[in-house]
Amino acid sequence: DGGITQSPKYLFRKEGQNVTLSCEQNLNHDAMYWYRQDPGQGLRLIYYSQIVNDFQKGDIAEGYSVSREKKESFPLTVTSAQKNPTAFYLCATDRGGTGELFFGEGSRLTVL
Amino acid sequence: AQSVTQLDSQVPVFEEAPVELRCNYSSSVSVYLFWYVQYPNQGLQLLLKYLSGSTLVKGINGFEAEFNKSQTSFHLRKPSVHISDTAEYFCAVSYNTDKLIFGTGTRLQVFP
Repeated sequence: DGGITQSPKYLFRKEGQNVTLSCEQNLNHDAMYWYRQDPGQGLRLIYYSQIVNDFQKGDIAEGYSVSREKKESFPLTVTSAQKNPTAFYLCATDRGGTGELFFGEGSRLTVL
Repeated sequence: AQSVTQLDSQVPVFEEAPVELRCNYSSSVSVYLFWYVQYPNQGLQLLLKYLSGSTLVKGINGFEAEFNKSQTSFHLRKPSVHISDTAEYFCAVSYNTDKLIFGTGTRLQVFP
């Protein structure tokens, strides 16, 4: 089945450690996105990529990094520079034309 | 700036009662409108979308929404809710096929 796979679903890290969240898609969509979700704040855009080897900062990119070496993959690294990294992270793709997004199941990161 | 407003952060309702979740957006010539649903610890699923044509849009799980251009609204309705409809609902707008802008969400709580 076509879809978006995020891993891991739950992740714990100690302060000062970098962590990478995986996002893989087999929908053949060009655009991919990373969102952060906190209670009562909706979804906030971290980074997005519209083609391979190119990506742009979203509204809250500080403390995060991404890469887009393959069309299918868009990993997100939460660095130690991110001051409040505990959140639910969502990856999405866009098949283009209307802005409609398709979402993965999410990854919940907890900093201990 | 373009924006989306969900007026109610929480909506409590009894089972089998009707419900309306409100969404307003800032005016624009061309918009695409979406409602997504999110169950706990999961990604977002598309409920319905308005791209063009009839202003009354029907979606999954018995939900419908009406696009009202003069009021810049896209309210979500269901005539009779079930316990299983308990979830968070997000309204989203794409202006001129640009990136989606999300509202802050409405938590629908259905009581027996």
